[in-house]
Amino acid sequence: GAVVSQHPSRVICKSGTSVKIECRSLDFQATTMFWYRQFPKKSLMLMATSNEGSKATYEQGVEKDKFLINHASLTLSTLTVTSAHPEDSSFYICSARDGRVDTYEQYFGPGTRLTVT
Amino acid sequence: AQKITQTQPGMFVQEKEAVTLDCTYDTSDPSYGLFWYKQPSSGEMIFLIYQGSYDQQNATEGRYSLNFQKARKSANLVISASQLGDSAMYFCAMRPGGSGSARQLTFGSGTQLTVLP
Repeated sequence: GAVVSQHPSRVICKSGTSVKIECRSLDFQATTMFWYRQFPKKSLMLMATSNEGSKATYEQGVEKDKFLINHASLTLSTLTVTSAHPEDSSFYICSARDGRVDTYEQYFGPGTRLTVT
Repeated sequence: AQKITQTQPGMFVQEKEAVTLDCTYDTSDPSYGLFWYKQPSSGEMIFLIYQGSYDQQNATEGRYSLNFQKARKSANLVISASQLGDSAMYFCAMRPGGSGSARQLTFGSGTQLTVLP
């Protein structure tokens, strides 16, 4: 099956710094990527949807200037948490799908655990 | 707007027995897809099963089956012959549109399943 990777798997950063999380589709072209955030024991909350080559669509309440999403190629999307604060500590998961194929399949990355100290 | 409801925060089942995880949904879209994912403590989202709203038969994948009752708007997951490795968080999710829809998944709050030896 298709594989989506995320890097890094874990990151600890200091308050006020920025951190970039990469999401790559390894064997398919991801025309659409989704970024989710998950707090412990909670559900996945969609942050934004990005289509290759266009600006991301953010969900209500998600600060687009704080969570910068770039989807510059068909295999890579990045989420940059700018000026991170402890409340940004969370589990971030991306998922990807190939919109050119008529399939229900959507592939998730393994997630990135961000801790802001 | 779409809404997914999972009313069981936690469930216990004896090893080798079957268990049903409940999921109800609400949508105004005539076409939609229903998904179940398993999330072990490692955090990865593992796809289990998919049911399209127009599918005539209930979906099955190995030990997993989806009890789809469209009129009641329910999509319960049945796991037969539970194994210790089935212990995990289980999420029900829905996506509007047909199988090729590029729209995002909406997740339920999840059910933590514990399989007892």
